[in-house]
Amino acid sequence: NAGVTQTPKFQVLKTGQSMTLQCAQDMNHNSMYWYRQDPGMGLRLIYYSASEGTTDKGEVPNGYNVSRLNKREFSLRLESAAPSQTSVYFCASSVHLQETQYFGPGTRLLVL
Amino acid sequence: GQQLNQSPQSMFIQEGEDVSMNCTSSSIFNTWLWYKQDPGEGPVLLIALYKAGELTSNGRLTAQFGITRKDSFLNISASIPSDVGIYFCAGQLYNQGGKLIFGQGTELSVKP
Repeated sequence: NAGVTQTPKFQVLKTGQSMTLQCAQDMNHNSMYWYRQDPGMGLRLIYYSASEGTTDKGEVPNGYNVSRLNKREFSLRLESAAPSQTSVYFCASSVHLQETQYFGPGTRLLVL
Repeated sequence: GQQLNQSPQSMFIQEGEDVSMNCTSSSIFNTWLWYKQDPGEGPVLLIALYKAGELTSNGRLTAQFGITRKDSFLNISASIPSDVGIYFCAGQLYNQGGKLIFGQGTELSVKP
């Protein structure tokens, strides 16, 4: 039982490049989330998925898209990376929206 | 939008000392959560609080859900070196899809 896993762990991009961050959970959770963490700012919600087939914007969705591929997987895509998207990205999941969220280990992204 | 003010931002203490940190908000939350983040890892849930006035312990950790539902504190007794990390409070809003609002974090350093 791995919990929430994220790939890759580290990534360096040039401005304008695209990439997809992958997240998977094996806890049979219905809800999944993407956050970004910047120094001194805690975590901010980018997008979330209440259940398979649904996605909604969070606090800072601009520049990102998401796909809830199936119940296990929730991906985050940067279509045209910008230096302002340099951050640590965390995926989380919970049984339902109002339940406790469990976090993955994070993806560290540097955009040059 | 909602904001959480977490204090202090950082603490440098001697092993064996007790620690106290708190979060306040202008908004009412349904749930208060306390997470710990080790370097290079994702946040790990320490304590969850679901009712105003609730006082909950987890080993050397004690947290309380404020009566007004706008604040919470976390105490760590008899600190040890492995307590080092960043502690985050988070408030959860049921009427906003269970969205978590995070504080800015308290970075704890423990000197042996």
